[in-house]
Amino acid sequence: EPEVTQTPSHQVTQMGQEVILRCVPISNHLYFYWYRQILGQKVEFLVSFYNNEISEKSEIFDDQFSVERPDGSNFTLKIRSTKLEDSAMYFCASSEMGTGSYNEQFFGPGTRLTVL
Amino acid sequence: DAKTTQPTSMDCAEGRAANLPCNHSTISGNEYVYWYRQIHSQGPQYIIHGLKNNETNEMASLIITEDRKSSTLILPHATLRDTAVYYCIVRGSNDYKLSFGAGTTVTVRA
Repeated sequence: EPEVTQTPSHQVTQMGQEVILRCVPISNHLYFYWYRQILGQKVEFLVSFYNNEISEKSEIFDDQFSVERPDGSNFTLKIRSTKLEDSAMYFCASSEMGTGSYNEQFFGPGTRLTVL
Repeated sequence: DAKTTQPTSMDCAEGRAANLPCNHSTISGNEYVYWYRQIHSQGPQYIIHGLKNNETNEMASLIITEDRKSSTLILPHATLRDTAVYYCIVRGSNDYKLSFGAGTTVTVRA
């Protein structure tokens, strides 16, 4: 069964450093998403991406965040200058459709980001 | 902007059906009800979704009341591996994002 994969599983970084989290969505999916979950809190939407453009983003997704599809298979989330409060589990998801009825999102296993 | 209300937690006996309620009294006509679950900090897993008709797949059944103000997710034969946080999410047909609440922590006991 096809699945979303994410690398690395755990990333430790120093405050102020840049990190890139990587995701390989399901191959025939066209819509991609990032969510995060701070320990003990809710899963929060960050951004959705389609056709090389951001289709929706949350207030959390400020100028320190960016997303990119650098090639035909990867989807990345970059955090330019990490802060302590960026420590969280980051989940990538993908879906065949973006809106409408048949747009179930399938999630990857997550990358745990720890900012020291 | 919580659109759903779920019990904080519930227990279920292994092998029995688990019925998970969700209230969404302000749901509008173009909004779907989605159910996801999250097993111990893994990525959320899609279970089922529906608009107004009852739905069934290999994982679960979704019963939506006629007025659409509430729904019930049914896991027909709960196993220990069904222990997870279950999220009921209302999502508009033009929305990209999923808005997760706190969900219901379901513990299946042997």
